[in-house]
Amino acid sequence: NAGVTQTPKFQVLKTGQSMTLQCAQDMNHNSMYWYRQDPGMGLRLIYYSASEGTTDKGEVPNGYNVSRLNKREFSLRLESAAPSQTSVYFCASRLDSYEQYFGPGTRLTVT
Amino acid sequence: AQSVTQLGSHVSVSEGALVLLRCNYSSSVPPYLFWYVQYPNQGLQLLLKYTTGATLVKGINGFEAEFKKSETSFHLTKPSAHMSDAAEYFCAVSGPWGAQKLVFGQGTRLTINP
Repeated sequence: NAGVTQTPKFQVLKTGQSMTLQCAQDMNHNSMYWYRQDPGMGLRLIYYSASEGTTDKGEVPNGYNVSRLNKREFSLRLESAAPSQTSVYFCASRLDSYEQYFGPGTRLTVT
Repeated sequence: AQSVTQLGSHVSVSEGALVLLRCNYSSSVPPYLFWYVQYPNQGLQLLLKYTTGATLVKGINGFEAEFKKSETSFHLTKPSAHMSDAAEYFCAVSGPWGAQKLVFGQGTRLTINP
């Protein structure tokens, strides 16, 4: 039981490049989330998916798109990366209980 | 709407001393409250949660927190700090059962001095 996994762990992009962050969970959870973490700002919700086939915007969705590929997988895409998107990205999942379970994070630098 | 304020972005205590990390929340519905811990270069791990019932909740690693509705607070305490407690701590709030979103505070970095 791996929990929540994220790939890649690290990535460096040039401004304007695109990439997709992958997230998968093996806990049969219904809901999945993408956050970004910046110093002094805690975690901010980018997008979430309450169930397979649905996605909704969070607090900071601009510049991102998501796909809930199936119940296990939830990907985050940056179409044209900007330096302001330099951050640590966390995926999380939740069943019907209250707490969210987090992956190890992806550290992204945009130059 | 919900929000969380963690008082103090950095807290430093001596090994063996009391740890107190402060969290105040704002919520228009009965809140569910959480403390998460993040060790360097890792994801977040749940320490404890309050949903309903007993207002003093115990978590892992000897931490506990008390929900005080009148003070809109959910402070995290540990009687005796260990070096291994050095980490960043996040308080978070959500609505009751079915609410999808967690709102996080800014985080408090705890340093333990030998």
